[in-house]
Amino acid sequence: GQQVMQIPQYQHVQEGEDFTTYCNSSTTLSNIQWYKQRPGGHPVFLIQLVKSGEVKKQKRLTFQFGEAKKNSSLHITATQTTDVGTYFCAGFTGTASKLTFGTGTRLQVTL
Amino acid sequence: DGGITQSPKYLFRKEGQNVTLSCEQNLNHDAMYWYRQDPGQGLRLIYYSQIVNDFQKGDIAEGYSVSREKKESFPLTVTSAQKNPTAFYLCASSPLRPGGEDEQFFGPGTRLTVL
Repeated sequence: GQQVMQIPQYQHVQEGEDFTTYCNSSTTLSNIQWYKQRPGGHPVFLIQLVKSGEVKKQKRLTFQFGEAKKNSSLHITATQTTDVGTYFCAGFTGTASKLTFGTGTRLQVTL
Repeated sequence: DGGITQSPKYLFRKEGQNVTLSCEQNLNHDAMYWYRQDPGQGLRLIYYSQIVNDFQKGDIAEGYSVSREKKESFPLTVTSAQKNPTAFYLCASSPLRPGGEDEQFFGPGTRLTVL
């Protein structure tokens, strides 16, 4: 079945440093979504990427969808303590009508 | 205020008992989903439904059952056949726009502990 892996599993940065998480799928995706889950909370949708090579920005967050539509990345510039949480990618394949979530990257930011 | 509600937030049950988790949405979404999350893990799909009176098994449906008698409601029953039921259960819904691929909105979750 489809598998979606994320690396790293965990990253600890100091406030102001940059952070990147990478998402890799075993199959080609029709689109990819990113979610953020704060500690003790529930996942919240951040963005969806659909086109090959697409890049989208939300303030300090930059999302990228690979040319082959099998990988994606999320980059945070100058992290803040409010960025703490677990970031999940989730992908749709063309035939399935369900999302497959990645394993998640937990980000810890300290002052 | 539109959203998804799950109740209760914390639930304790004895081993061998069935338990039903509630999920209600007033977003008028067609699709609803149940996920299980274990500590430090991602989300695994248990069941999903795209229309009333119809639902599909996800990746880990064994030991669980669902019903979708109303558009707004998608309760999940954790049966005694589920070997390791202690987990955080998340319900989600999505509007199923044309193309069938759009964002999911999650409820606050129910943390189930089986003693």
